[in-house]
Amino acid sequence: AQRVTQPEKLLSVFKGAPVELKCNYSYSGSPELFWYVQYSRQRLQLLLRHISRESIKGFTADLNKGETSFHLKKPFAQEEDSAMYYCAPTNPDRGFKTIFGAGTRLFVKA
Amino acid sequence: NAGVTQTPKFQVLKTGQSMTLQCAQDMNHEYMSWYRQDPGMGLRLIHYSVGAGITDQGEVPNGYNVSRSTTEDFPLRLLSAAPSQTSVYFCASRTGTGLNTGELVFGEGSRLTVL
Repeated sequence: AQRVTQPEKLLSVFKGAPVELKCNYSYSGSPELFWYVQYSRQRLQLLLRHISRESIKGFTADLNKGETSFHLKKPFAQEEDSAMYYCAPTNPDRGFKTIFGAGTRLFVKA
Repeated sequence: NAGVTQTPKFQVLKTGQSMTLQCAQDMNHEYMSWYRQDPGMGLRLIHYSVGAGITDQGEVPNGYNVSRSTTEDFPLRLLSAAPSQTSVYFCASRTGTGLNTGELVFGEGSRLTVL
């Protein structure tokens, strides 16, 4: 069965501190990995995808196929990063079905 | 482009009532899906569609029906509402074609309360 685990429901850090949001997945085939973000009173939106290897808003994510992990990192957190973050593997071999993790709420304190 | 449009934004139902959540997209996306968002459980996939006339079940399909008669529309029907269906519902379509795995584009969400 496909499964996505985000072990931290809530992560609280001070402004300027490094942040890492963990994501582990159990998926058949070779899923493509995405992170989505939901800011307060806004709709869910793409933060980044592994295949593009971009850094968006200072965030990066490293895919570790051996550990089946796709942790999201930022070296210096900002208050505007406070949001809900979702890890979302997508498997083209299974009709592009996307299963989301339970999400991690990041709170960046001043 | 309006993107993904969901209606209504808010709805209160009584147990046993039926209703349809509407979802429309104007981006000619083949893939559309419905999720529900509950505290502590993230987004759970209800149903999805890879094109007009094709639908499939997600993680939590019971109590919900969908159809896809056109590329643009993907309505979600609650046949007999139950309090357990109180949630925020999101419709999403996917960019990309063929084997290109695009990103999901979300609607604003529909908050449903079942009394």
